Amino acid sequence: EVQLVQSGAEVKKPGESLKISCKGSGNPFTTYWIGWVRQMPGKGLEWMGIIYPGDSDTRYSPSSQGQVTISADKSTSTAYLQWSSLKASDTAMYYCASSAGGNFDYWGQGTLVTVSS
Amino acid sequence: EIVLTQSPGSLSLSPGERATLSCRASQSVSSSYLAWYQQRPGQAPRLLIYGASSRAIGIPDRFSGSGSGTDFTLTISRLEPEDFAVYYCQQYGSSPLYSFGQGTKLEIK
Repeated sequence: EVQLVQSGAEVKKPGESLKISCKGSGNPFTTYWIGWVRQMPGKGLEWMGIIYPGDSDTRYSPSSQGQVTISADKSTSTAYLQWSSLKASDTAMYYCASSAGGNFDYWGQGTLVTVSS
Repeated sequence: EIVLTQSPGSLSLSPGERATLSCRASQSVSSSYLAWYQQRPGQAPRLLIYGASSRAIGIPDRFSGSGSGTDFTLTISRLEPEDFAVYYCQQYGSSPLYSFGQGTKLEIK
């Protein structure tokens, strides 16, 4: 079983940068993919991208490509989602989730990002 | 681009009743890569069904999945109070690589 613990809630201003994290434990971190899923207030789930920490192979959704950067550090079993310049429309709950076979088996508790001037 | 459309958007039922939720894909989806999730208010989603019909670890047998090609169904045989939540289907493998349906909200009548 995989446990994923995400970093805490963030309040940022438009134009600021941000990096949130997702730390895995349980199964070896390099044996599964870590995906990021956005949920805007009152809305559904949107897949943003996914990384395989074993070799850093990363895939993005078309709408997230160029808007965020996904990375991972094998040595600390941590995956990251970062923005270089936040917008108000980035306000959302962000979940990380592990994937070994095409579905998201285990989920983090979510990180709420609020972007407001 | 594959689109998953869930119906109905919301469903009002009473505890003990049977719920049938639909997920229709705009293109054929491999049954191996169709999953269902439950999200209770204020909680992260939880995997219920993977491979269209296999229950995830710890999921009660009142939850079942079926379907193939473009039409998939999640059935909850007898609703318990904790089953009232939002349910999402999800596919893997088509462009985009992963995608979710818009969700079905199951409400207590």
